[in-house]
Amino acid sequence: EVQLAESGGGLVQPGSSLRLSCAASGFTFDDYALHWVRQAPGRGLEWVSSINWNSDNKPYADSVKGRFTISRENAKRSMFLQMNSLRSEDTGVYYCARDSTYGGRLSGAFDIWGQGTMVTVSS
Amino acid sequence: DIQMTQSPSTLSASVGDRVTITCRASQTISSYLAWYQQKPGRAPKLLIYRASTLESGVPSRFSGSGSGTEFTLTIASLQPDDFATYYCQQYSIYWTFGQGTKVEI
Repeated sequence: EVQLAESGGGLVQPGSSLRLSCAASGFTFDDYALHWVRQAPGRGLEWVSSINWNSDNKPYADSVKGRFTISRENAKRSMFLQMNSLRSEDTGVYYCARDSTYGGRLSGAFDIWGQGTMVTVSS
Repeated sequence: DIQMTQSPSTLSASVGDRVTITCRASQTISSYLAWYQQKPGRAPKLLIYRASTLESGVPSRFSGSGSGTEFTLTIASLQPDDFATYYCQQYSIYWTFGQGTKVEI
């Protein structure tokens, strides 16, 4: 079964750091690009960042540019989101999602989603 | 940045109703438009991509249309399982979601 599973969320103070992980199974990992999407409590979906198959294309939303870093390790079938200088407005559920385009480019809709991991930034 | 605007924000409907949700892009996105369904506490689920292509396994009562800047999602006959929030998403230039449309009884 094709699956994504996030981990690493938690309660942290403003200004601190957190690293999220996304583990993939059921498909050839380096054939696909991946994305992070977040959802603040009671709010809509917000694209955060993306990474193509070989990590040479990594766009970020303006709201996280310079604070968040996306990466992936194809041998470990994993993607990561390093979040630094966290703010209260970063609070929400973070989802990883697979790009629907076969071949690893950043060009499609999001066809597979993980269950999400909750990040709470509060003092 | 491309902005996506959905209407209405909330839609009250009954089982069996025909439901239409509209999504407008702030600039042309060709057919690079997807629709997602999300239920409370769950991850979004892809319903339609390329504006009108049904994702595998999605019931045929769902359909999408449009191109350029104006798009619609139609549910031909609303079923109990369809009460959820629906989001459009453009993937022409990066990715942007609409604010969502909650379909409720």
